[in-house]
Amino acid sequence: EDQVTQSPEALRLQEGESSSLNCSYTVSGLRGLFWYRQDPGKGPEFLFTLYSAGEEKEKERLKATLTKKESFLHITAPKPEDSATYLCAGGGGSQGNLIFGKGTKLSVKP
Amino acid sequence: GAVVSQHPSRVICKSGTSVKIECRSLDFQATTMFWYRQFPKQSLMLMATSNEGSKATYEQGVEKDKFLINHASLTLSTLTVTSAHPEDSSFYICSAEDRGRDHGYTFGSGTRLTVV
Repeated sequence: EDQVTQSPEALRLQEGESSSLNCSYTVSGLRGLFWYRQDPGKGPEFLFTLYSAGEEKEKERLKATLTKKESFLHITAPKPEDSATYLCAGGGGSQGNLIFGKGTKLSVKP
Repeated sequence: GAVVSQHPSRVICKSGTSVKIECRSLDFQATTMFWYRQFPKQSLMLMATSNEGSKATYEQGVEKDKFLINHASLTLSTLTVTSAHPEDSSFYICSAEDRGRDHGYTFGSGTRLTVV
């Protein structure tokens, strides 16, 4: 069964305190591993797509990495505006859809 | 970049009435659109896959007669919640697939449905 598991469920950081979010996945016919940011009451906002093990992508304070079983979203020196829920999703599913994890709610305190 | 417009953003309706939610791809053609439902503190759960010109494919446990999906054009899909009940209150989000871009899935801003 296709499954995406994210940890931790919630993460509280001080401004400037770097950390990583984990996404473990089992998705048949994986077409890509996606990271999204979701703010309360909004739809997910695209961050990264990773396609093969060893691939890395960066955007400002965020860096996503991928292995054959998991992906990490590294946050370097976070700021309060980075506070959001970060969603990981495997693309592939039976309908070619995204299979989402439950997300990690990140709070960054000044 | 790819933009998906979803309307309305919020709607309150009475029990027993129907509500229509629209999802439009603004700068690309979307042969496939997806409808998700999200409960508080939960992730997105796929409800159905909408293919232009054909019947939608519903996930197990989703009532197709209650959640009517129409994908009549390459830029518009609609979800109609029929005979709404309070338990249908949720956050509904659509997504369109644009295979011409690196991030193949673009999401709408969501619709908060409250049934009273």
